Amino acid sequence: DQQVKQNSPSLSVQEGRISILNCDYTNSMFDYFLWYKKYPAEGPTFLISISSIKDKNEDGRFTVFLNKSAKHLSLHIVPSQPGDSAVYFCAATTNFGNEKLTFGTGTRLTIIP
Amino acid sequence: DSGVTQTPKHLITATGQRVTLRCSPRSGDLSVYWYQQSLDQGLQFLIQYYNGEERAKGNILERFSAQQFPDLHSELNLSSLELGDSALYFCASSVVGRRGSGYNEQFFGPGTRLTVL
Repeated sequence: DQQVKQNSPSLSVQEGRISILNCDYTNSMFDYFLWYKKYPAEGPTFLISISSIKDKNEDGRFTVFLNKSAKHLSLHIVPSQPGDSAVYFCAATTNFGNEKLTFGTGTRLTIIP
Repeated sequence: DSGVTQTPKHLITATGQRVTLRCSPRSGDLSVYWYQQSLDQGLQFLIQYYNGEERAKGNILERFSAQQFPDLHSELNLSSLELGDSALYFCASSVVGRRGSGYNEQFFGPGTRLTVL
């Protein structure tokens, strides 16, 4: 049972444009959501997170939006840069973040110069 | 560099064998988490230790076991290996692993790539 789903395995975006990565979840107990970025031969690195009490969180070029009624979150990257090319994982957890992370299968983002 | 170290980086072994993967958490982190990433899959949670004690278990097979030592490093033991155990194994650490104490970021190591032939 895939509780966190990333339905787009890959996404290509022109440099300077907006990248939008999507994630859906099924478990209504999840109360904290995270995005991780992963380069080849490295472990995932934390990018940005959002608590279920918010609907938006911004950090520089990265914004995460949460729609609890739709059980959907998205990551917006503006403007997209070549260094953003990586695999992005959506993850979710319960009880404010100190439980195990449940990951989606990832979206490979390629920024085209 | 996340501060989490994992050894070895690569491991190639045969079916039926046993291997041990090692993880050293960031200095000061008490919680260690193990995740498995199979081909084209997300990371699957295996097990968590907090200050030497098992805290949570995920979809970890009975052939797999783990422990956290007094110096807080952790080992994941995989036995009677099968072809399907070939995967990337990640270790992560965080400061605490207590319910309701607020979010504490998990820092991931670079992973160990296990190939079972």
